Amino acid sequence: AQKVTQAQTEISVVEKEDVTLDCVYETRDTTYYLFWYKQPPSGELVFLIRRNSFDEQNEISGRYSWNFQKSTSSFNFTITASQVVDSAVYFCALRGYSSASKIIFGSGTRLSIRP
Amino acid sequence: NAGVTQTPKFRVLKTGQSMTLLCAQDMNHEYMYWYRQDPGMGLRLIHYSVGEGTTAKGEVPDGYNVSRLKKQNFLLGLESAAPSQTSVYFCASSYEEGWDTDTQYFGPGTRLTVL
Repeated sequence: AQKVTQAQTEISVVEKEDVTLDCVYETRDTTYYLFWYKQPPSGELVFLIRRNSFDEQNEISGRYSWNFQKSTSSFNFTITASQVVDSAVYFCALRGYSSASKIIFGSGTRLSIRP
Repeated sequence: NAGVTQTPKFRVLKTGQSMTLLCAQDMNHEYMYWYRQDPGMGLRLIHYSVGEGTTAKGEVPDGYNVSRLKKQNFLLGLESAAPSQTSVYFCASSYEEGWDTDTQYFGPGTRLTVL
C-alpha cells in the first residue's frame, strides 16, 4: 500500500521566517516519484516539483528547497525568507511504479504567513 | 494554451439530480484524471483515463461515471447526486506514462454542493 503523511495540518509564521513542511511517505515500490503542489487561496493546484526515487540530490529553486531522504522516507519542503504570497495549502504526493497512473496525495499543510 | 479547463465552476444540485462536469485540455495529453477534494483529506482519485475511449476506476469511483470519447475531453457524471458528493472536483491531465513526462497539470476546479 502507498501512503503520504503530512503531519502538520496548519503552520503560521511571521514573514521572512524560514519554514519547513514535512512529508513522509510509504511505498513498497523501489521506483517512484514524489511531488509537491501548491494550492493558493484562489483554489487552483500548481505543480512545484517532481523527484524520482533514484535522485536523492537536494534541489533549490529560489527561496524553495527540497530535502529528499530515502533512509527516512521523507521529502521535506523548505521556504526561506517566507512571504505573504507563500500562504497556501501545500500537498505532497507519491506515485509508485506499480500503481499505474495513480498519484496518492497527502492531506495537505495549510501555511499562513503573517505580515 | 488554455491548459486544463473545467465547466462549470460552481453548481448547486438537489439530491437525486444528475449532472455532468466537463474537463478539456489542449496540451494533447493522453492521460486524464478526476479527483475530489474534501477538507482534511487531500485529493482522492475518482476515475482516470489512459487514452481516448478508455476509463478506469480510481480510489473512490462509486456514484460517478466517466467517458472519454475525445482525447481532449473527459466527462464526469453524477447520475443521482447525494449530499456526500458535495466537494470540489479537480480534473488533471498528463502527457503519457513515462518517468519524465507524467507530471499532472490541474484545472481550476468545480465547486459542487448537493442539498
